Amino acid sequence: SQQGEEDPQALSIQEGENATMNCSYKTSINNLQWYRQNSGRGLVHLILIRSNEREKHSGRLRVTLDTSKKSSSLLITASRAADTASYFCATDYTGANSKLTFGKGITLSVRP
Amino acid sequence: DAMVIQNPRYQVTQFGKPVTLSCSQTLNHNVMYWYQQKSSQAPKLLFHYYDKDFNNEADTPDNFQSRRPNTSFCFLDIRSPGLGDAAMYLCATSRDPRTSGIKQFFGPGTRLTVL
Repeated sequence: SQQGEEDPQALSIQEGENATMNCSYKTSINNLQWYRQNSGRGLVHLILIRSNEREKHSGRLRVTLDTSKKSSSLLITASRAADTASYFCATDYTGANSKLTFGKGITLSVRP
Repeated sequence: DAMVIQNPRYQVTQFGKPVTLSCSQTLNHNVMYWYQQKSSQAPKLLFHYYDKDFNNEADTPDNFQSRRPNTSFCFLDIRSPGLGDAAMYLCATSRDPRTSGIKQFFGPGTRLTVL
C-alpha cells in the first residue's frame, strides 16, 4: 500500500511552542501535500511540495521532504489554539490516476 | 467565493433505506471525488470522476453508486445503507492533475447516521 504513516499519532503542546509532525510513505511520489481537518469539517489544503523540492514555507508552516528516506515533516511555528486539528499527509505518484493517498493523520492539541 | 458545497450537512436514514448525498462546485474543476471517513481514520476514496469518466475503487462496495450529470454536480447514492455505512462523506474537487498536481478542495462533508 502507498498509504503514508504519520507520527506521532497525537501531539499535545502549549500555545507558542512549535509542533513537528512526520510522515513516511512507501513508493516514489510526484508530490506530497499536507491537509488540516478541524473536527467535523472537511479537509483544507495547507501546502504542496514537489518531489524535486526539499523545503517549502508558507506563513508559519515549514515542510521538508527527503525522498531518499521517503519522509516529510510539517513544522508549525508559534502554535495557536486555533491550530488544534487533525493533520494528514497525502501523496500522489506516477500511475495514481488523479488520486491522492492519505495517511492516518495526527491529532494536534494546542493548549491555551 | 468559489467553493465546494455539500448537502445536507447531516443526514439520518434507516437501515436499508436508499439515500442520496449531493455535492456541487463553483470551481469548474475537472475531477470530483467522493471519500468516506470514519472516526479517527483517514479519508477513504470511494470513486472519482475525471470529467465524465467514472473511476471506481476496487474495494468500494456495490452498494455505493455515483452520478455526475454535469461539471458542477456529483451525487453519491447508497442503495441499501447498513450500520457500517455511518460515516462522514466528503466531496472534493481538483483541476486537471496533468497540468496542476492533485491539490484537492474539500466540501464540509455530510455526516450520515444509519438507524
